[in-house]
Amino acid sequence: AQKVTQAQTEISVVEKEDVTLDCVYETRDTTYYLFWYKQPPSGELVFLIRRNSFDEQNEISGRYSWNFQKSTSSFNFTITASQVVDSAVYFCALRGDSGGSNYKLTFGKGTLLTVNP
Amino acid sequence: EAGVAQSPRYKIIEKRQSVAFWCNPISGHATLYWYQQILGQGPKLLIQFQNNGVVDDSQLPKDRFSAERLKGVDSTLKIQPAKLEDSAMYLCASRGGWDRGRPYEQYFGPGTRLTVT
Repeated sequence: AQKVTQAQTEISVVEKEDVTLDCVYETRDTTYYLFWYKQPPSGELVFLIRRNSFDEQNEISGRYSWNFQKSTSSFNFTITASQVVDSAVYFCALRGDSGGSNYKLTFGKGTLLTVNP
Repeated sequence: EAGVAQSPRYKIIEKRQSVAFWCNPISGHATLYWYQQILGQGPKLLIQFQNNGVVDDSQLPKDRFSAERLKGVDSTLKIQPAKLEDSAMYLCASRGGWDRGRPYEQYFGPGTRLTVT
């Protein structure tokens, strides 16, 4: 069975602060993919990043960075110098890489990030 | 390239009424998914189609929910009769082919927000 835990239900920061969103996962698959999605108030899920289980290199994209640590089953997401437009719900998701899982996504419950001006 | 289209965007009905949602996936995408997202939770997969065949409907409440994808393109999700607990966002996603033995990403539509009163 697959499980994704986002322990932070809500985070509130002031603009320009850095903020880290935590994600812990469980899977029995030896290979798998991890994702982060952003869901603004409009409702559409916006894909941010995908990482596979055999690549633990951290990734940076502009103000966004991701820290993948297989040893602790964590895939944390950091926004540097947060902006009001970053306010949204952020979901971490897991996809097993065995055909038996039908490659379906398992989502965490999400973290509501509010960036105040 | 056009994204995943869904309609309507919003729907308000009374309990015991029927409702239908429509999804048009990205052109050429063989796999189509319907998710239910209850407020404060992550999306939960209801049903997965591969072309016009059902791959996984293990979490679809079959006594009241039905879905079809007759020609392997558009899909319709129906609820009959609706209950208060069906109030949620219904998301459609589609996925294209394969890249070196691994599936491509899922792309999500804007969703239909259903309120049952």
